[in-house]
Amino acid sequence: KAGVTQTPRYLIKTRGQQVTLSCSPISGHRSVSWYQQTPGQGLQFLFEYFSETQRNKGNFPGRFSGRQFSNSRSEMNVSTLELGDSALYLCASSLARTGNTGELFFGEGSRLTVL
Amino acid sequence: QKEVEQNSGPLSVPEGAIASLNCTYSDRGSQSFFWYRQYSGKSPELIMFIYSNGDKEDGRFTAQLNKASQYVSLLIRDSQPSDSATYLCAVSSGSARQLTFGSGTQLTVLP
Repeated sequence: KAGVTQTPRYLIKTRGQQVTLSCSPISGHRSVSWYQQTPGQGLQFLFEYFSETQRNKGNFPGRFSGRQFSNSRSEMNVSTLELGDSALYLCASSLARTGNTGELFFGEGSRLTVL
Repeated sequence: QKEVEQNSGPLSVPEGAIASLNCTYSDRGSQSFFWYRQYSGKSPELIMFIYSNGDKEDGRFTAQLNKASQYVSLLIRDSQPSDSATYLCAVSSGSARQLTFGSGTQLTVLP
């Protein structure tokens, strides 16, 4: 069974640019969550999508956005990049059924460097 | 602001010993509690989850929850060098997919 696939794995951008990251969840998983991981702030929740709808959103500025497609694949976009956006962006998928533990299966992440 | 606190370590234990990892949380409305393990350069993977006060055992791992004290712990018995990793405590107040993570405790098991 294929795991969570994130692309690209590594990318370098300059301040002011925008970036789009992609995530393909485990087959059958309908929930996709995004997290940012940095050495200083650790893992922080960005947002969760389920059935193409954003269900929850973390405390990040509006420059961070996302969407989910009908096949459950998800993208997140960061506009007007800042140096502080340099991080590992992790996508996690989940079955998200009632009674399910909500176990998150993380992808390997997309490492973004902003110069 | 919801906070999850962990001792950052590093924590070193000899092979075969018990490793004890601790976590406190600030939100009394928290309902679900998770321990993730993250090897260097890898993504987090779930080890244990616990919802009710008391102990929950799974193999060499035991999670302990005390909601009155807002305290969660993870015990690793018969620690192995392969257990060397960063252990992340995570807490949820609603959706189990919206987790607040602690900063992690780096564990090293010495052969």
